[in-house]
Amino acid sequence: TQLLEQSPQFLSIQEGENLTVYCNSSSVFSSLQWYRQEPGEGPVLLVTVVTGGEVKKLKRLTFQFGDARKDSSLHITAAQPGDTGLYLCAGTSGNTGKLIFGQGTTLQVKP
Amino acid sequence: KAGVTQTPRYLIKTRGQQVTLSCSPISGHRSVSWYQQTPGQGLQFLFEYFSETQRNKGNFPGRFSGRQFSNSRSEMNVSTLELGDSALYLCASSTRDNSRWGGYTFGSGTRLTVV
Repeated sequence: TQLLEQSPQFLSIQEGENLTVYCNSSSVFSSLQWYRQEPGEGPVLLVTVVTGGEVKKLKRLTFQFGDARKDSSLHITAAQPGDTGLYLCAGTSGNTGKLIFGQGTTLQVKP
Repeated sequence: KAGVTQTPRYLIKTRGQQVTLSCSPISGHRSVSWYQQTPGQGLQFLFEYFSETQRNKGNFPGRFSGRQFSNSRSEMNVSTLELGDSALYLCASSTRDNSRWGGYTFGSGTRLTVV
């Protein structure tokens, strides 16, 4: 059974701080996606990484896919209150289209 | 373009009843997947449909079923509801063009409460 472990589960920081969220597995994934979810809404796709070692930047967010395609990280620079939410990593294997989600990281950024 | 539309947004049912949830994907998206989200288990895959065919199924009992219509709209049905079925049910659509597939667009979900 493929599992994705996210850490930390909860993070409460002050505006302007940097943070990193980790997503780890013992399994290889075809792709790794990061989503952000706000209360009462569905997850919103932030990025998809498919190549081992790939780094993608989205404004203040930097996503990295591990060389062996078993892990990923999300780094936020100078966090803002608008970054508050549940961050989810999700992996796909082969061509199934089935997403295996991590448990999520709840981020709170205080002004 | 319009996003993924799920109806209803909220639903309260009694144990033993059955329920049908609906999902209209983004126009042109032929793949529709369903997920169950609970505080304890997180997001768990239920099933995926593509061009009216179920392509993948998660580890849920047979009480959970779904179907997809020719216009790509999808429904999922849960029979003989149990208290543990209370959850946010999310539908997601994508093109699933293997050369360009980048991810799913999720709807806002249906919050099901079983009492």
